[in-house]
Amino acid sequence: DVKVTQSSRYLVKRTGEKVFLECVQDMDHENMFWYRQDPGLGLRLIYFSYDVKMKEKGDIPEGYSVSREKKERFSLILESASTNQTSMYLCASSPASGPSTDTQYFGPGTRLTVL
Amino acid sequence: AQSVSQHNHHVILSEAASLELGCNYSYGGTVNLFWYVQYPGQHLQLLLKYFSGDPLVKGIKGFEAEFIKSKFSFNLRKPSVQWSDTAEYFCAVKKAAGNKLTFGGGTRVLVKP
Repeated sequence: DVKVTQSSRYLVKRTGEKVFLECVQDMDHENMFWYRQDPGLGLRLIYFSYDVKMKEKGDIPEGYSVSREKKERFSLILESASTNQTSMYLCASSPASGPSTDTQYFGPGTRLTVL
Repeated sequence: AQSVSQHNHHVILSEAASLELGCNYSYGGTVNLFWYVQYPGQHLQLLLKYFSGDPLVKGIKGFEAEFIKSKFSFNLRKPSVQWSDTAEYFCAVKKAAGNKLTFGGGTRVLVKP
């Protein structure tokens, strides 16, 4: 089974703090994604990466950055957290080829509260 | 930019009732279509997907979805729901040549025992 893990289930930070959310997948997937999930808005893509050191902006990249130094790890960084970044953050991965291409596998999520 | 609309935000029904959740998308080109489900306290997981071929797709747990290209729709159905189908359901669309999934706003389904 594909396993996608996220470093924290719950996180509370203060406005202005730098926040790191970590995601690790164990299936050697090329593609990795960060979303935020808000009620009524579904999932919105923040950034994704299709290879080590490669990244592309999603639909709502403002206020976020990412890092992918190793294939299995994809980090989301909030340079200066703000209250409007309070949300559930979901990481996902998918293979670039094979029968499961384009099927994204999700982690459990990190519920971030910014005070 | 493509968009995905799910018509109902909340659905409440009794066990054994039939379920149909609507999903429409805006992109006119070739698309791949997905339904994901998030059970309470669990990860988001794939319910079913359509890439090509038979427009009626069968997924896990008795769910099916029908792709109607002329209506830009991919509605999810289950003939008889169970209490364990209580979950939030998300429709998602990807351009066939792209990497990005666009999700709908989700539909919370509550099945009363």
